[in-house]
Amino acid sequence: GAVVSQHPSWVICKSGTSVKIECRSLDFQATTMFWYRQFPKQSLMLMATSNEGSKATYEQGVEKDKFLINHASLTLSTLTVTSAHPEDSSFYICSANLVAPGMFLETQYFGPGTRLLVL
Amino acid sequence: KNEVEQSPQNLTAQEGEFITINCSYSVGISALHWLQQHPGGGIVSLFMLSSGKKKHGRLIATINIQEKHSSLHITASHPRDSAVYICAVYGGATNKLIFGTGTLLAVQP
Repeated sequence: GAVVSQHPSWVICKSGTSVKIECRSLDFQATTMFWYRQFPKQSLMLMATSNEGSKATYEQGVEKDKFLINHASLTLSTLTVTSAHPEDSSFYICSANLVAPGMFLETQYFGPGTRLLVL
Repeated sequence: KNEVEQSPQNLTAQEGEFITINCSYSVGISALHWLQQHPGGGIVSLFMLSSGKKKHGRLIATINIQEKHSSLHITASHPRDSAVYICAVYGGATNKLIFGTGTLLAVQP
């Protein structure tokens, strides 16, 4: 089946630094990828939709200058948390859409997630 | 009120029991996902369905579009089934997922 990877899986950083998280579709091309954030015991919250070759679409309340998204190729999207603060500590998950041959509905495949801890 | 509601929120079962998790939604949808999230955080898509019923191993998912309701069943439950099960729908005209709050399942040996 389709595989989505994320790197790193864990990151600890100091307050004020920037952290880049990569999301890759390993065996398919994804024109659309999604970035989610999940706090403990809560459901996923969509942060932004990443479109290959164009600007990301951010959800209401998500600062685009804080969470920079780049989707430079059909297999890679990156999320950069700029000037990270302790409140940015969370679990970040990406997903990629794939339309399987013979189907018209898209299926989302999720990455394993990245845990960010800002000290 | 959430657009996607799941019940129960927490469920404890004994190994071997038949388990049902319910999902109701209030928006028009094109498809519904059942997802599984293990304690490590990774999410696996179990099913995507837009009508009827799907079966994979011990898992069965059904959907009733008219009633805006879906169920996930686990037969002969096992401790390794312990996870959070999340219902998510593709709502309206977008390709964005709307998530339920999840059901925490614990299967005891």
